[in-house]
Amino acid sequence: EDQVTQSPEALRLQEGESSSLNCSYTVSGLRGLFWYRQDPGKGPEFLFTLYSAGEEKEKERLKATLTKKESFLHITAPKPEDSATYLCAVQAIKGGTSYGKLTFGQGTILTVHP
Amino acid sequence: DSGVTQTPKHLITATGQRVTLRCSPRSGDLSVYWYQQSLDQGLQFLIQYYNGEERAKGNILERFSAQQFPDLHSELNLSSLELGDSALYFCASSVGLAVWETQYFGPGTRLLVL
Repeated sequence: EDQVTQSPEALRLQEGESSSLNCSYTVSGLRGLFWYRQDPGKGPEFLFTLYSAGEEKEKERLKATLTKKESFLHITAPKPEDSATYLCAVQAIKGGTSYGKLTFGQGTILTVHP
Repeated sequence: DSGVTQTPKHLITATGQRVTLRCSPRSGDLSVYWYQQSLDQGLQFLIQYYNGEERAKGNILERFSAQQFPDLHSELNLSSLELGDSALYFCASSVGLAVWETQYFGPGTRLLVL
């Protein structure tokens, strides 16, 4: 069974204090790893998709990287508006069939203090 | 705004009742996914429809059913409701079936079963 583990569960940063969130995964055939941001009571907002080890993507203060076992979401000089829950999800191929199912981790709650 | 709409935003009902949640995908998207988010289970995949046909099933209870109509909107029916069914229910959509496609999430329906 596909498994996604995110750490830490919660992270408190001062504005401008860079850090990284971790997403470890176990999946038989990875087809994509997705990062989403979720604000309280809202739907997940898409950030990045990574498909192969070594791939990196950037958007403003966020940079996502992928290895064969984990992904990191690096946050550079965060601002209070970056406070949210960050979700990692994997999509797998099984038995030669691609399924749209996303398997999510429990998320990392990021709080950035001014 | 992802372009995915869900109604109603909030729903309060009693145990044993039946409710219907509605989702309209982004314009042009043929795939619709349903997810349940609870505090203890996180985001869990329920079911996927593509152009009116069921494509993949997750841990969806037998008391739950879904369908996708010719105009591509989808409905999730929850019956014989139990207290444990209280959760956020999200709908997501993507263009088709390709694994590299991003799933865009709606704002969710918050269900409270009393």
